[in-house]
Amino acid sequence: GNSVTQMEGPVTLSEEAFLTINCTYTATGYPSLFWYVQYPGEGLQLLLKATKADDKGSNKGFEATYRKETTSFHLEKGSVQVSDSAVYFCALISLTGGGNKLTFGTGTQLKVEL
Amino acid sequence: DGGITQSPKYLFRKEGQNVTLSCEQNLNHDAMYWYRQDPGQGLRLIYYSQIVNDFQKGDIAEGYSVSREKKESFPLTVTSAQKNPTAFYLCASRDDLLGELFFGEGSRLTVL
Repeated sequence: GNSVTQMEGPVTLSEEAFLTINCTYTATGYPSLFWYVQYPGEGLQLLLKATKADDKGSNKGFEATYRKETTSFHLEKGSVQVSDSAVYFCALISLTGGGNKLTFGTGTQLKVEL
Repeated sequence: DGGITQSPKYLFRKEGQNVTLSCEQNLNHDAMYWYRQDPGQGLRLIYYSQIVNDFQKGDIAEGYSVSREKKESFPLTVTSAQKNPTAFYLCASRDDLLGELFFGEGSRLTVL
């Protein structure tokens, strides 16, 4: 079956530091890949996505590149802010191998300090 | 505005009581989902529905029930058979074209 593995948190950074959150996946077929963000007490919001190999998703200064050869979709940001503190979830959907269900990683909590 | 509305946002329940969480969407999406989130953990799929009058069990369906009588609505009932119901519940719908899920704000259930 499909699976997503994320680095464990919490990740604690100083403001303006560089962020990487690792995400690797196992899937049949050709999955689409997503990063969602969850702020405290709220639902999940789509942060960015990529639907095919070598695509780069980007939004609000965050980027992730779909690497089929390494089955990875690492999230990066060049300079984090305190307002980026949240939980980040990597996810995939593979309509050929996993039906219509999104498979999520366990989430990585990011804390950004002044 | 288009979106997903969950209610109530907070709910307290005594042991042995059934409760129903509401989820309504006006995005015209066919597929809808219920996830459970526990502190420090990821999302676990309870039930999903790909079309009206049809639904399938997810990974942790025991102690829960759903219905899908209308495209816009996918209520979740947490029954007394659910041994540990205290959690944050998230409803979502999926855009068939884009593949991504849109989430509601969540409902926090606490069993007293």
